[in-house]
Amino acid sequence: GAVVSQHPSRVICKSGTSVKIECRSLDFQATTMFWYRQFPKQSLMLMATSNEGSKATYEQGVEKDKFLINHASLTLSTLTVTSAHPEDSSFYICSAHRTGNYGYTFGSGTRLTVV
Amino acid sequence: GENVGLHLPTLSVQEGDNSIINCAYSNSASDYFIWYKQESGKGPQFIIDIRSNMDKRQGQRVTVLLNKTVKHLSLQIAATQPGDSAVYFCAEGWATGNQFYFGTGTSLTVIP
Repeated sequence: GAVVSQHPSRVICKSGTSVKIECRSLDFQATTMFWYRQFPKQSLMLMATSNEGSKATYEQGVEKDKFLINHASLTLSTLTVTSAHPEDSSFYICSAHRTGNYGYTFGSGTRLTVV
Repeated sequence: GENVGLHLPTLSVQEGDNSIINCAYSNSASDYFIWYKQESGKGPQFIIDIRSNMDKRQGQRVTVLLNKTVKHLSLQIAATQPGDSAVYFCAEGWATGNQFYFGTGTSLTVIP
């Protein structure tokens, strides 16, 4: 149990376009999901906390207008990187917290390359 | 936030030896801690967790120690195997699920 599916696993896009990444909890409900960004050989940096039915809470320094987060249901959160630029190229990972339980389950990550 | 975006320290151990990976966390209010293993190009995999009301927890070949006084976590891996080679991260948060941050990772290399 407690499986999180993240899609796509890899995406290459042109500079200036937008990319949507989906994070789904497959067999449990997640009131809270987290979005992280990871550069090579570095730790995971929390970008934002996504709460179902309300606005996401962004970490300091993360542009909310550039990284749009929507958590419309208890099983789906999406991260949209708008007007992507090469410096947005990174590994993006989501995680979900199971309501009423401990533990945070991670998706398999999305490798975004902006050319 | 509590993020630490440092370049990863490395640890090399001989196959069969025990490994100890250390982590300092930042928020004294954190009550839930998890160790994750991350292989290249993949998301983090759960290894073991511990709540703040405990100071030690054991799993299969792994033990987590928590020292709240100095805000320190350690992961001990017994009889390290080549398949244990990966990056290991500790993470701190709240059991209620409202907050969750990663600490500095360590790249473990097991030498056959």
